[in-house]
This record gives sequence, C-alpha cells and structure tokens, in this order.
Amino acid sequence: LAKTTQPISMDSYEGQEVNITCSHNNIATNDYITWYQQFPSQGPRFIIQGYKTKVTNEVASLFIPADRKSSTLSLPRVSLSDTAVYYCLVGGFNQGGKLIFGQGTELSVKP
Amino acid sequence: NAGVTQTPKFRVLKTGQSMTLLCAQDMNHEYMYWYRQDPGMGLRLIHYSVGEGTTAKGEVPDGYNVSRLKKQNFLLGLESAAPSQTSVYFCASSSEAKDLDNKAFFGQGTRLTVV
Repeated sequence: LAKTTQPISMDSYEGQEVNITCSHNNIATNDYITWYQQFPSQGPRFIIQGYKTKVTNEVASLFIPADRKSSTLSLPRVSLSDTAVYYCLVGGFNQGGKLIFGQGTELSVKP
Repeated sequence: NAGVTQTPKFRVLKTGQSMTLLCAQDMNHEYMYWYRQDPGMGLRLIHYSVGEGTTAKGEVPDGYNVSRLKKQNFLLGLESAAPSQTSVYFCASSSEAKDLDNKAFFGQGTRLTVV
C-alpha cells in the first residue's frame, strides 16, 4: 500500500480557499487517490477521487500533478461547517481489499 | 435506503464481559470493514472481509473476532473486553473493485466503554 503523508493540522478563516496536500511517493500505476471527510462523532464520508490531472465536484477540487507523487485537495471559500478531519488514501481496493487510513489533516475554520 | 447501520450505538461493558457489534449494509457490497478510532487518532483497521464467508486481519486484530455468514452482515466480537478496547468502532462497506477505483460508505459508529 502506498504510504501517505499529510499535515497534522491546518487553520483557516471563513471565506478562504484551503489547500491540503498529500504526499504519496510510492504510488502504483493502478492506484487511485481518494479523499474522505470526517466530522466529529461521525464516520468518514467520501468527498472526491481522482487518477490524474484535475477533478472537480460540488464539494471540492482535486489536483494531481503528472508524476502523481502528490495530490492537493482544494476547498473553495470554506465555512465553519468545513471544520473536520480530511484523509487522503491511495490504492486499497486493488490490493486485496485492505483500506488503510492515515492520521489525516485536522482542519479548523475560524470565523 | 439505510446504507450502513451499526447496532448498538452505545454500550458500557465490564472488564471480562463479551459482546457482539453488528454491521448491516443494504447496498449489496462485497467488501466490509471494522475500524476503531481512539480520541484524537485516525481510524485503524481491525478486520475486513472481501466476501461472504471470508475474513482477514487488519492492522489491530488482537482481542477481536469477526464473522461474515451473510453478505449483508459483518459481526465484530469481543470475547473478553478490556479497558484498552474502549473506543469508537466504525463499520464500512464498499463494492468489489472492478475498475481499480472505489469508495467506502461508513456507519454512524458504536461508542464502547469498558470499565
């Protein structure tokens, strides 16, 4: 499984754009990059997934450079409700079914 | 559509007692997972299953057993609870990876306290 490295925590203010970068230097050719969001006292929920270049949905954008050794989750104009832990995962399902979470990035949005 | 449902939501056990946590999914998913999350920590994989009748060890399997007798259910058992097993337990499920990508759906969690 490709190991991922994320910042432990980040602070932001309402209305700002937040970018969380995840490093995954040993990503395999067939691996996808998936981000989950976890609010306090809730289970994680899927927010975005990509393989290369850029992916955008109603919640976030995911930027993946050509070498795929890192990825950046971008949250536009954050609000207090975006305060959560964000996890970056690489591979998993194509490796025997294991789905391993790292430490995640705790994002705190202040008024 | 209920998704992933965990039973119970809360439980207090005495040291040495046993209990079973139930996870049920109605999405016909092949893969199911049990995680534990301690305060301020990430999720750690306890056991997982890639199909009915199969189970496999995750990162922290000691002290737990699992069974997947039916595709929609994944049971997590504690034979002799210890205070170190005080945690929030999450179940998740996902469909079988056919195109190398996938997403997991999580339950609402079970808060277990062992005294």
